[in-house]
Amino acid sequence: KNEVEQSPQNLTAQEGEFITINCSYSVGISALHWLQQHPGGGIVSLFMLSSGKKKHGRLIATINIQEKHSSLHITASHPRDSAVYICAVSGNQFYFGTGTSLTVIP
Amino acid sequence: NAGVTQTPKFRVLKTGQSMTLLCAQDMNHEYMYWYRQDPGMGLRLIHYSVGEGTTAKGEVPDGYNVSRLKKQNFLLGLESAAPSQTSVYFCASSSGGVSYEQYFGPGTRLTVT
Repeated sequence: KNEVEQSPQNLTAQEGEFITINCSYSVGISALHWLQQHPGGGIVSLFMLSSGKKKHGRLIATINIQEKHSSLHITASHPRDSAVYICAVSGNQFYFGTGTSLTVIP
Repeated sequence: NAGVTQTPKFRVLKTGQSMTLLCAQDMNHEYMYWYRQDPGMGLRLIHYSVGEGTTAKGEVPDGYNVSRLKKQNFLLGLESAAPSQTSVYFCASSSGGVSYEQYFGPGTRLTVT
């Protein structure tokens, strides 16, 4: 059983659309992380949160600790947002989801 | 600051050969990690270090060894490479433990034939 589940696995959107990626986890955590991985590139941290909501530019991350669920929203999506988005949680160790591959079409 | 760097970026090995991957960070981080990333699977922790001179096993340590002789460097060794070790390897560092943000290197793509 995976400790972190993401949905959808793949997502294609038209430029300008509002996008939501979901993450559910089954372990106790101290923090949840959203990471971005561009094709052929490295991994960068977008957000680390333990409660509530964080916003950075067009990206918004929310977490509901009671429901063990987090969402990553992208407003006014752009082709440069095309990447794999990875949810990870900090429990007694790091647990990573398998990622959501996002393609934004112009 | 360069952040986290990895050497080499690509490598092809034959089964049974050995190699060392080097990870270097210039952020004075205590914690360093080695992960592997395989298609359809999340990142998996191979080994980690909580400080200079210390190492510990992660989720998938078999076939790998590590050393942290200097705080800024974390080496991952494959003594006898196997095709199952074909993967993309990522190094990461953080100033604290699992509740701290991790900074990732660019990755090393290793193919074992």
